[in-house]
Amino acid sequence: GQQLNQSPQSMFIQEGEDVSMNCTSSSIFNTWLWYKQDPGEGPVLLIALYKAGELTSNGRLTAQFGITRKDSFLNISASIPSDVGIYFCAGQLRAGGTSYGKLTFGQGTILTVHP
Amino acid sequence: GAVVSQHPSWVICKSGTSVKIECRSLDFQATTMFWYRQFPKQSLMLMATSNEGSKATYEQGVEKDKFLINHASLTLSTLTVTSAHPEDSSFYICSARDRSEKLFFGSGTQLSVL
Repeated sequence: GQQLNQSPQSMFIQEGEDVSMNCTSSSIFNTWLWYKQDPGEGPVLLIALYKAGELTSNGRLTAQFGITRKDSFLNISASIPSDVGIYFCAGQLRAGGTSYGKLTFGQGTILTVHP
Repeated sequence: GAVVSQHPSWVICKSGTSVKIECRSLDFQATTMFWYRQFPKQSLMLMATSNEGSKATYEQGVEKDKFLINHASLTLSTLTVTSAHPEDSSFYICSARDRSEKLFFGSGTQLSVL
């Protein structure tokens, strides 16, 4: 199926550094979501974005829904060791059509934080 | 937040046997649930959409007779991997959609077929 273009694929950073990752798509989405997945676990929702241009924060996390509705970014400030994991962006169509409710996932960004 | 329980967490089975994985929404009703498959270090790939009281909708390339989905109630969907083979070994994850249309994921099932 269709995938979003997520970058970078992996990041190795020092504790305390800021992190930025983004997703782009050739298709428009109504909703952008950011998830974190720990090994052997299902994804956990971090931030949900519902409007183009929307900027939302959740603690040290900040995400934005691109104006064109074809992209989104996630920033993590002052990283800590427990931020380690795989981060996925996901786009969702929320109004009509056969794709209603389905998520299209990015390839994931593997984050490693060195103490 | 809403809780989705997936069981079992891991299963090892012999080639040729069938395995059933359950996905339950514990504190909300889910008319729609989704089943994903994930290989190591890869993204989640949608296999099928499970609708309560009707037939599941499968994504292109996913064998309906291989991956049987039943969504008999508003809180339970099951995925049965029939006649499992080693190439079916993977991490299977379900998600359930609540009334606000948010999706919540189960903790996944690691299937290993010997």
